[in-house]
Amino acid sequence: DAGVTQSPTHLIKTRGQQVTLRCSPKSGHDTVSWYQQALGQGPQFIFQYYEEEERQRGNFPDRFSGHQFPNYSSELNVNALLLGDSALYLCASSLVGGISENIQYFGAGTRLSVL
Amino acid sequence: KQEVTQIPAALSVPEGENLVLNCSFTDSAIYNLQWFRQDPGKGLTSLLLIQSSQREQTSGRLNASLDKSSGRSTLYIAASQPGDSATYLCAVKGGSYIPTFGRGTSLIVHP
Repeated sequence: DAGVTQSPTHLIKTRGQQVTLRCSPKSGHDTVSWYQQALGQGPQFIFQYYEEEERQRGNFPDRFSGHQFPNYSSELNVNALLLGDSALYLCASSLVGGISENIQYFGAGTRLSVL
Repeated sequence: KQEVTQIPAALSVPEGENLVLNCSFTDSAIYNLQWFRQDPGKGLTSLLLIQSSQREQTSGRLNASLDKSSGRSTLYIAASQPGDSATYLCAVKGGSYIPTFGRGTSLIVHP
């Protein structure tokens, strides 16, 4: 049973470029959340997708957008990259309904470096 | 706005010691509190989840308590082992259901 998988593992971009990160949820999960974790900080919630719709959003600008596909996998897109976007981007999946919704399984993350 | 603080920021102890990690939050109107473990360069692993109506949860050598009125939670690790070395994060989920994380406590347990 595969857990949450993210790709790529590492990515280097330059300022102004655009990037797409990908996430496949744990088998049986239908909800995907994205987090940004800067070095030495705790993760910050970006947004959550359920039934292909953005369900909740944290305090991130519109440069950050996402998508969820019918197979529940998800993409995070960041436009007009800034140096401050350099971070570990984490994807977490869960299953809607009851206490299990609170148990998120995290992927290993994508390390994005913006030069 | 919810703020979560974790003390200490870093801890280095010899194997076998009992440890207490602290987490404090500013808004006591929470839905639940969760403790996670993060190994270097890796994702998060959920350790314990405490609902707002609960006072504590236990799993093996780990025990987490919650005191909503004082805005505090503690994670107790008994008989620490080198394999416990990691960063421990607490996350508080409030009425918005958006989790707020602390910066974590970096723990090193040396043999």
